[in-house]
Amino acid sequence: EPEVTQTPSHQVTQMGQEVILRCVPISNHLYFYWYRQILGQKVEFLVSFYNNEISEKSEIFDDQFSVERPDGSNFTLKIRSTKLEDSAMYFCASKKGGSWWEQYFGPGTRLTVT
Amino acid sequence: DQQVKQNSPSLSVQEGRISILNCDYTNSMFDYFLWYKKYPAEGPTFLISISSIKDKNEDGRFTVFLNKSAKHLSLHIVPSQPGDSAVYFCAASVSTNAGKSTFGDGTTLTVKP
Repeated sequence: EPEVTQTPSHQVTQMGQEVILRCVPISNHLYFYWYRQILGQKVEFLVSFYNNEISEKSEIFDDQFSVERPDGSNFTLKIRSTKLEDSAMYFCASKKGGSWWEQYFGPGTRLTVT
Repeated sequence: DQQVKQNSPSLSVQEGRISILNCDYTNSMFDYFLWYKKYPAEGPTFLISISSIKDKNEDGRFTVFLNKSAKHLSLHIVPSQPGDSAVYFCAASVSTNAGKSTFGDGTTLTVKP
């Protein structure tokens, strides 16, 4: 069964450094998302992406964040200058579209900013 | 503003009995609702969904009920099994093409053998 994959599973970085989190969505899906979950808190929407552009972004997704689909398979989240409060699990999700509304999530990347 | 609420942080049931997980929402624009199951260190796994044009959707042991007037939905698991022990998230979305999901806080279900 096709699944969303994410790399790395765990990333440790120093405050102020740039990180890129990578995702490979399910191949015939058209809509892509990033969510995050700070430890002990709820899953929060960051950004949605369709047709090579951002469809919607939350207030968390400020100028330090960017997303890209550099080729036909990868979908990346870049944090330009990490802060301590960016430490969280980051989940990528994809959705087929049309009448299929379910989003399928990857296993997540645990980002630790020290 | 918490648009999707799961008021019970935890629920414990005996194997073979029914588990009922509840969820309330405030945004009338939501018209598609999903339940996800999540194990530690894994991403949420889609379980079952329901459109606002229905009041019930069933898939095997899992049934979701929607009461639009009360802005309430529930997930019933019958019979509950120890492998069902996980965190269950209710999520709601507006069925536009790029519609994001808004998640509740989650309910930790423990099914005791």
